[in-house]
Amino acid sequence: SQKIEQNSEALNIQEGKTATLTCNYTNYSPAYLQWYRQDPGRGPVFLLLIRENEKEKRKERLKVTFDTTLKQSLFHITASQPADSATYLCALDMSGGFKTIFGAGTRLFVKA
Amino acid sequence: NAGVTQTPKFQVLKTGQSMTLQCAQDMNHNSMYWYRQDPGMGLRLIYYSASEGTTDKGEVPNGYNVSRLNKREFSLRLESAAPSQTSVYFCASTTQVSYEQYFGPGTRLTVT
Repeated sequence: SQKIEQNSEALNIQEGKTATLTCNYTNYSPAYLQWYRQDPGRGPVFLLLIRENEKEKRKERLKVTFDTTLKQSLFHITASQPADSATYLCALDMSGGFKTIFGAGTRLFVKA
Repeated sequence: NAGVTQTPKFQVLKTGQSMTLQCAQDMNHNSMYWYRQDPGMGLRLIYYSASEGTTDKGEVPNGYNVSRLNKREFSLRLESAAPSQTSVYFCASTTQVSYEQYFGPGTRLTVT
């Protein structure tokens, strides 16, 4: 069955640096992949979606890449700020859009 | 727009008790989902409803039932609560056009 692996260790970076988070999956390549942000005690919030035929997607300071050969997506936050501190979840489409599988998330801490 | 709302926010049950978690969305979305989130395990899909009148099992359906009451509302019922059902429960909805999911604030359930 499809599995998603995100680094369970927290990522600590200095303000102004680029944060890079990794999402690896094990089996078939999904039609699309999503990234969500989750703050403590709150529900996840959608950030970006990238389709299997797209290599890269950008939104303001966020960039996502999708490599179906490596079975990997990278999520970058440039010029990071303390307000970017949160848990970031990777999610894969399972069946043409009706079911989605989520990774456990990576916690990001940005120090001022 | 309120988005996705969930009630209650917190609940403590004794083993064997039953309860219903309520979810409503005002975005006219066709698809709705129930997830549970446990530490280190990410979001796991319990049940989903692709459209009004249909429901399907997700990854962890045992011990739960759902009702898609109308297009707006999707409830989750625990018939006989068990300590293993202690978790945070999230409801989500999507249009199946953009695929991004909108999440509610969550219900923190403790079963003693």
